[in-house]
Amino acid sequence: NAGVTQTPKFQVLKTGQSMTLQCAQDMNHEYMSWYRQDPGMGLRLIHYSVGAGITDQGEVPNGYNVSRSTTEDFPLRLLSAAPSQTSVYFCASSHTRSPEASSPLHFGNGTRLTVT
Amino acid sequence: SQQGEEDPQALSIQEGENATMNCSYKTSINNLQWYRQNSGRGLVHLILIRSNEREKHSGRLRVTLDTSKKSSSLLITASRAADTASYFCATAGLGGGSYIPTFGRGTSLIVHP
Repeated sequence: NAGVTQTPKFQVLKTGQSMTLQCAQDMNHEYMSWYRQDPGMGLRLIHYSVGAGITDQGEVPNGYNVSRSTTEDFPLRLLSAAPSQTSVYFCASSHTRSPEASSPLHFGNGTRLTVT
Repeated sequence: SQQGEEDPQALSIQEGENATMNCSYKTSINNLQWYRQNSGRGLVHLILIRSNEREKHSGRLRVTLDTSKKSSSLLITASRAADTASYFCATAGLGGGSYIPTFGRGTSLIVHP
């Protein structure tokens, strides 16, 4: 059971380049999300999805796109990378779709992105 | 914006001592969760406590929740060097998208052997 798998582990981009961060989970979780973690800022929610075909914005969505075509995959796209997007990105999933059914988040090990 | 705020930001103790971290939040919650993050890794869930619960235990971990004070504490008893990590609280609210956990900035714990 792999849990949440993120690829790549490290990436360096030049300003203006595009890329996709991959996230896959094998736990049949309905809920998936992307966070970025910056020093002194904790984790901030970028986008999330409560099921295939459904996505919504989090706290810091600008500059990022997502899609959810399958239950398993939730890729994060940077269309035109900027130095401000240098960060560590975490994907997380859970069974939760409502407060009454809150369950823990399962995290991947992150992607360290540097934009020069 | 962060809902929960951990205190202290950093904590340094000797092996065998107890470590206490606090989390304060601003609005009503459905549940509060504590996570651990080892250096260079993803977060790992420790405990979830619901708003109608006051205390939960898991091994050497004890979590309390005081909804009247909008605060929670995480106690790690008889700490070990392997407990060295950052600890985060995450709060989930009621209704709409507020059930999505919102994380604080974390407490960095160092346990010296």
